[in-house]
Amino acid sequence: EAGVAQSPRYKIIEKRQSVAFWCNPISGHATLYWYQQILGQGPKLLIQFQNNGVVDDSQLPKDRFSAERLKGVDSTLKIQPAKLEDSAVYLCASSKTSGGAYEQFFGPGTRLTVL
Amino acid sequence: QKEVEQNSGPLSVPEGAIASLNCTYSDRGSQSFFWYRQYSGKSPELIMFIYSNGDKEDGRFTAQLNKASQYVSLLIRDSQPSDSATYLCAVNPGNTGKLIFGQGTTLQVKP
Repeated sequence: EAGVAQSPRYKIIEKRQSVAFWCNPISGHATLYWYQQILGQGPKLLIQFQNNGVVDDSQLPKDRFSAERLKGVDSTLKIQPAKLEDSAVYLCASSKTSGGAYEQFFGPGTRLTVL
Repeated sequence: QKEVEQNSGPLSVPEGAIASLNCTYSDRGSQSFFWYRQYSGKSPELIMFIYSNGDKEDGRFTAQLNKASQYVSLLIRDSQPSDSATYLCAVNPGNTGKLIFGQGTTLQVKP
């Protein structure tokens, strides 16, 4: 079974530029998550999708971050404009469903550096 | 108070010893608890989860949960140098699916 796919793996941009990340979850996984992991910290949830609907985006900085999962499969996360403090690894995860003890599996992540 | 707290370490143990990693959480409504391992430069990898009080064993790993004390731990028996990594505790509050992570504990296993 293929794992969670993410691209690009690395991205370097200047502040105020825009950037987009792509994620393809494990086949059949209805729930998709985007996390931000700053160096030395644990991942922080940005947004959670159940199929193509948003379940939780309470910690998404909506003035600059947006995410979509139009067909309920792959997803994109966008930052516009980027700030220095957005430098982090952006992790995508998926699970069969939300709730319960359904395990989340992570993709390799995208390391973003904002200069 | 942080929602999920872990000692950042590093925790250093000799090869073959038992490593004990601890985690406390603040939300009494939390339903399930996860341990992830993260090697430097890699993404988190699920080790095991637990949702009932008591112990759950999987190979060299044992997760322990005490909901009354809001405490969850991970024991690694016969620690190997390859176990050297950051261990992340994650809590699923209120059966929502989202995970709240601690900052992780760095484990060093010395040959």
